[in-house]
Amino acid sequence: GAVVSQHPSWVICKSGTSVKIECRSLDFQATTMFWYRQFPKQSLMLMATSNEGSKATYEQGVEKDKFLINHASLTLSTLTVTSAHPEDSSFYICSAPDRDNYEQYFGPGTRLTVT
Amino acid sequence: SQQGEEDPQALSIQEGENATMNCSYKTSINNLQWYRQNSGRGLVHLILIRSNEREKHSGRLRVTLDTSKKSSSLLITASRAADTASYFCATALGGSYIPTFGRGTSLIVHP
Repeated sequence: GAVVSQHPSWVICKSGTSVKIECRSLDFQATTMFWYRQFPKQSLMLMATSNEGSKATYEQGVEKDKFLINHASLTLSTLTVTSAHPEDSSFYICSAPDRDNYEQYFGPGTRLTVT
Repeated sequence: SQQGEEDPQALSIQEGENATMNCSYKTSINNLQWYRQNSGRGLVHLILIRSNEREKHSGRLRVTLDTSKKSSSLLITASRAADTASYFCATALGGSYIPTFGRGTSLIVHP
């Protein structure tokens, strides 16, 4: 099946710094990618829809100025957590859809810890 | 709020036993999908069942869908220790292909 990668796998950063997470579709083009956040023992919550060549669509309650999304090419979307705080510590997962069969291909996730 | 809710929240069984997890949802759906997540990892797609289907099989997995009751079940037969993971149901609402996840069932299979 299709492969989606994320980089880095995990990152520890200091409060106030910014962190960039990359999501790549390795063997297919994705005009749309999705970013999810998952807190420990919780479900995945959709944060935003990343659209190639246009602005991202954010879910209610997600600050677009804090979580900057850029989808500059058909195989790469980036999520930048700006001025990170400890409450931003979470597991961030991206996915890219196969619109023909409604299947989502998920990346392995990035664990962010803000100290 | 979440569309799908899995039941039970946690399940502990012995290797070789069957594991059944249920998912209930609230509104009409396009399809329902089951995913597996090992601790600290990304999600793995298991099965997609469309709203006009009632049952699907994949290896040791069996998924049923009852749209009248707005519920689905995932049965893992002859469980193995390697099946230990969290299992999520995700529904795509009518007209959408974006899955909305439930809270998940944590399955532990003891060797």
